[in-house]
Amino acid sequence: NAGVTQTPKFRVLKTGQSMTLLCAQDMNHEYMYWYRQDPGMGLRLIHYSVGEGTTAKGEVPDGYNVSRLKKQNFLLGLESAAPSQTSVYFCASSYSTGKTEAFFGQGTRLTVV
Amino acid sequence: GENVEQHPSTLSVQEGDSAVIKCTYSDSASNYFPWYKQELGKRPQLIIDIRSNVGEKKDQRIAVTLNKTAKHFSLHITETQPEDSAVYFCDTYEERSQGNLIFGKGTKLSVKP
Repeated sequence: NAGVTQTPKFRVLKTGQSMTLLCAQDMNHEYMYWYRQDPGMGLRLIHYSVGEGTTAKGEVPDGYNVSRLKKQNFLLGLESAAPSQTSVYFCASSYSTGKTEAFFGQGTRLTVV
Repeated sequence: GENVEQHPSTLSVQEGDSAVIKCTYSDSASNYFPWYKQELGKRPQLIIDIRSNVGEKKDQRIAVTLNKTAKHFSLHITETQPEDSAVYFCDTYEERSQGNLIFGKGTKLSVKP
């Protein structure tokens, strides 16, 4: 039982490049989330999903897209990376929102130069 | 809008002292109140949670108290140790926006030996 796994763990991108971050969970959770965490800052919600085939915008969605084609996977895409997207990205999942524990992945450290 | 406020943002205590962190929420329908700990370079992990049918829960040196009337809940750490140094987060959500899981801005606790 791996929990929540993020791929990759580290990445350096050039401005304008695109990439996809993968989040996989093996707990059969309906709810999945993508957060970004800047140095000394809290967790800001980018996008979330309440089930397979659904996505919704969070607090800071601009510049990102997501997809949830399979229940266990939640993908975060950056179409044209900008230096302002340099951050640590965390994926999380939960059985329900606001009623049960959220489990986090180990994080992806992204640097855009 | 802001539906969770966490205070203080930083807290420095001497080893052996107590620490208290407070979260204020807005949705009176909330019924699950967790606290997460994030050590430097690690993912956030649940350390304690409480549901609305109880007012206090303890687990060794940590406790969470809930005041539903005033809509706030607090994390209490007694006999602090250097390994308690971390960032602590609470979270909440609004019933009307399922999946919109928002975390407080975090409290950086430093325990000085």
